[in-house]
Amino acid sequence: ETGVTQTPRHLVMGMTNKKSLKCEQHLGHNAMYWYKQSAKKPLELMFVYNFKEQTENNSVPSRFSPECPNSSHLFLHLHTLQPEDSALYLCASSQELRMNTEAFFGQGTRLTVV
Amino acid sequence: QKEVEQDPGPLSVPEGAIVSLNCTYSNSAFQYFMWYRQYSRKGPELLMYTYSSGNKEDGRFTAQVDKSSKYISLFIRDSQPSDSATYLCAMSVTSGSRLTFGEGTQLTVNP
Repeated sequence: ETGVTQTPRHLVMGMTNKKSLKCEQHLGHNAMYWYKQSAKKPLELMFVYNFKEQTENNSVPSRFSPECPNSSHLFLHLHTLQPEDSALYLCASSQELRMNTEAFFGQGTRLTVV
Repeated sequence: QKEVEQDPGPLSVPEGAIVSLNCTYSNSAFQYFMWYRQYSRKGPELLMYTYSSGNKEDGRFTAQVDKSSKYISLFIRDSQPSDSATYLCAMSVTSGSRLTFGEGTQLTVNP
């Protein structure tokens, strides 16, 4: 257990559905991240939040909508996804922005779009 | 060309073997090099962290960086079945800049 909890662990959704992924960290960290991990591809950084403010959007399609209501919680709202969006979505947090050696990852949400 | 190249494997070795995992990169500005271990159905966890060139040892694990060749390695001595996982290399220009990951190498250590 790394202190970063993601729910649900698995999600199957249709292309017309709307769903949300949740991430919660109990580490007192100020920065939170969403990553996408697809089969046979490197981890891709999607969004970065620092003190609840979005500091980076890595050209992510608008069908992915992040929300950070406070420093402990991060959501990823999903709507009208495509099958190629099927992947493992990982949340991470760090004490300060981009303390790369101090980032902790959650276990991920395995998303399947049908 | 990918910024970071990593052979995805799979790599299968007998218990007790020395394992060598490698990444090459093209961006000479990378200064920080990391290895993550990711067990099945888990998120990545930081295993080793090295700044610039040189070696770093932690128990059975040794990380090497050769910046002149743009080549990094992770050695695992006396490999154990519990080392079976996917190993991801990652690197960044500064300690706070975006991490660029390799694809990951899937390792199986057979008892």
